[in-house]
Amino acid sequence: DVKVTQSSRYLVKRTGEKVFLECVQDMDHENMFWYRQDPGLGLRLIYFSYDVKMKEKGDIPEGYSVSREKKERFSLILESASTNQTSMYLCASSTGGANTEAFFGQGTRLTVV
Amino acid sequence: GENVEQHPSTLSVQEGDSAVIKCTYSDSASNYFPWYKQELGKRPQLIIDIRSNVGEKKDQRIAVTLNKTAKHFSLHITETQPEDSAVYFCAASCFGNDMRFGAGTRLTVKP
Repeated sequence: DVKVTQSSRYLVKRTGEKVFLECVQDMDHENMFWYRQDPGLGLRLIYFSYDVKMKEKGDIPEGYSVSREKKERFSLILESASTNQTSMYLCASSTGGANTEAFFGQGTRLTVV
Repeated sequence: GENVEQHPSTLSVQEGDSAVIKCTYSDSASNYFPWYKQELGKRPQLIIDIRSNVGEKKDQRIAVTLNKTAKHFSLHITETQPEDSAVYFCAASCFGNDMRFGAGTRLTVKP
């Protein structure tokens, strides 16, 4: 079974803190994604990566950055957390190429106070 | 980038009835259209997908149709059961690389 693992299930951080969300997949997938899930807004793409050290902005990259130093790991960084970044964050990975299934992590519910 | 719209946002049906969820997409280059089901407190999981060279695909009680000309695709669930209650997301991408999702449909199947 594909495993996509996010480092934390719940996080509480203070406004202005730098926050790291970690995601690891064990299936040698090329593609990795970070989404934010909010009620009524679905899954919005923050950043994605085709390969190591590659990154592409999604639809809502402002206030976020990412790092992919190793193929299996994709980190989402909140440079200076704000209350409007309180949300559920979902990581996903896929094999890339034509038409492939994305596998999701269990999600990290981040609360910024 | 791709924009995916999904309707309705909520859907309530009686057990045994059919449910239909519709999505439209904006980028004519998109060629892969998956549907995900997310049960309460769980991660989204793929239930069915369709590629742009196919107009319809069926898997037991679930079917998906694609109209490339109109840029819309739909999920059909027949003989609904209470365990079908969940949030359903459609998505569109070009070769699976930059997958965009719709806003989701909360389906409730009443016993």
